Parts: sequence; C-alpha cells; structure tokens
Amino acid sequence: SQKIEQNSEALNIQEGKTATLTCNYTNYSPAYLQWYRQDPGRGPVFLLLIRENEKEKRKERLKVTFDTTLKQSLFHITASQPADSATYLCALLSGTSYGKLTFGQGTILTVHP
Amino acid sequence: GAGVSQSPSNKVTEKGKDVELRCDPISGHTALYWYRQRLGQGLEFLIYFQGNSAPDKSGLPSDRFSAERTGESVSTLTIQRTQQEDSAVYLCASSTHAVGDEQFFGPGTRLTVL
Repeated sequence: SQKIEQNSEALNIQEGKTATLTCNYTNYSPAYLQWYRQDPGRGPVFLLLIRENEKEKRKERLKVTFDTTLKQSLFHITASQPADSATYLCALLSGTSYGKLTFGQGTILTVHP
Repeated sequence: GAGVSQSPSNKVTEKGKDVELRCDPISGHTALYWYRQRLGQGLEFLIYFQGNSAPDKSGLPSDRFSAERTGESVSTLTIQRTQQEDSAVYLCASSTHAVGDEQFFGPGTRLTVL
C-alpha cells in the first residue's frame, strides 16, 4: 500500500543550528513533492515545491532535496530561529492522481533559544 | 480579504445531527479541496473539485459525507448523522488550475461531535 512517513514526530534543536526533516515514501511515483508549515490552530502554508526531475530547491534559509531512487526528501532550515518552531508537513502529488495531494503526518520542530 | 475563508470556525453538535461546513476559495482559483485533520495527525484528503469536471470523491470516508461546489466559487461539505469519530478540523484549500500548484488553505472548521 502507499505510505508517506516523516522521520519523527518531534525534533528539538538549538537556535542557529540546521534542522533536517525527512520524508520517506513507498509505492508512489510522485510527480511533485511539496513542503508546508502549519502553526497551531491554523491551516498549512506552502513553503517549497520540488519536481521529480529536480534534485534540489532553495528559498532563503530553506533547502529541499528529492531523491527518487531512495524515495526520500530532505527539508533543511539553516540558521534556525525560535520563530521556525512549527509542524512541517510533506505532501506528494502522484502523477496518476491529478491534483490530489497526500500528506505525511508531520514533524513538530521546536527551536530553543 | 484575499485568502480562503471557512465558516463556522467552530461547530459543536450532537451525535446524529447533520452539519454543513462552508468554504469560500480565493477568487479565480478553479481547484478546491477538502481535507480532514484529526488531532495530532496529518491531513486526510476528502474531495477535490476542478472547474466543471466531475469531482474526485475518492477520499470521502462514507456516504454520510458529501460536498458541492457552485461553479468556481463557494463549496459546502455536509456530514449527515454525525458520529463522534467525525470530530476533527476540516480544512479547505484552493489553487489555480495548474497541476502541482501550491494550495492555499483556510483556517479550518473545528467540529466536535458530542
């Protein structure tokens, strides 16, 4: 069956360090992979999109990698700040399910000052 | 406002009652999605509307759940004969026509079934 797993429920790091979140999938052929941020009591907010033929994408302090051989995406936040504390969700768009995103369960990131 | 809006923000109902949740997408967005998020869990896809095409209802958990959309505007999600396991946050999102485009989410409706 199709499955998306984010490496851990919670990740705690010190301010200034790099946070690395993992998203693994099985039995998918994703055309796109997206990362969202969700704050408590709010809807998710889009951060980055990476296509199956792209290896890496960057946006300011954010970097996403996509390895279709390992079936894995890594999401990095460099020089992390307490304001980066939130839940981060990965989501896959399958090439066979037009428009339908499937989400992982999320990783709660806490950046300590 | 320019964002996706949902109403009500909170809904408490008794088991067995019907509820209707509303979503106003961003103007011009042809795609609209409904998701369910149980406490501490990820988003569960429910239904997807794209323009005038037949909706993708593959995520609806039972025939008690239905959704409608008027053209490319407002959508309503209806849950009939609510059960306690329906308690969750129901999120609506919209996006442009292009496949893979980012989805813009509303704040959600928190449904509590007593």
